[in-house]
Amino acid sequence: EAEVAQSPRYKITEKSQAVAFWCDPISGHATLYWYRQILGQGPELLVQFQDESVVDDSQLPKDRFSAERLKGVDSTLKIQPAELGDSAMYLCASSLYQGRTEAFFGQGTRLTVV
Amino acid sequence: KNEVEQSPQNLTAQEGEFITINCSYSVGISALHWLQQHPGGGIVSLFMLSSGKKKHGRLIATINIQEKHSSLHITASHPRDSAVYICAAFGNEKLTFGTGTRLTIIP
Repeated sequence: EAEVAQSPRYKITEKSQAVAFWCDPISGHATLYWYRQILGQGPELLVQFQDESVVDDSQLPKDRFSAERLKGVDSTLKIQPAELGDSAMYLCASSLYQGRTEAFFGQGTRLTVV
Repeated sequence: KNEVEQSPQNLTAQEGEFITINCSYSVGISALHWLQQHPGGGIVSLFMLSSGKKKHGRLIATINIQEKHSSLHITASHPRDSAVYICAAFGNEKLTFGTGTRLTIIP
């Protein structure tokens, strides 16, 4: 069964270090989302891609976060430098196209910044 | 005020009990998702619905578009149902998530 792949599953990093997460959406899915979920809260959108283009990054802290999807397939989310408050679950999701209501989620990357 | 509100935030019940989790939303939507998140974080989509009712095994989801309200029911609850249940409203081409309901089923 097709699934959204994310790696790593868990990451511990020291503050001020750089960290990167990877997401491979379901094949053929044009829309890719990165969400951040702080413990006890619902996920919040960080960035949305349509193919290789960013369509919404209004909630992405651009001073330290960056995201790319160079070939419109897999995507990388980077944090540099990491701060203690970045500790959270980072979820990737994909859907067939923008506006398609059905979204598929990856297992997430749990980041702990120490 | 969050655009998607869930209740209760936490729910503990005995095995076998009938469970209801509620979701109210204030945005216009084209679909509503019910998601399950186990410890470890991965999210599984349980239902996507835009009207009426859907059933899968012991899980039932209903939605009332006029009242902007959805419910997730679990019949004959089991300890393996223990998880966080999240509703997410899809509108304006984005998903807005509730904060989740942490369900614990005691054997």
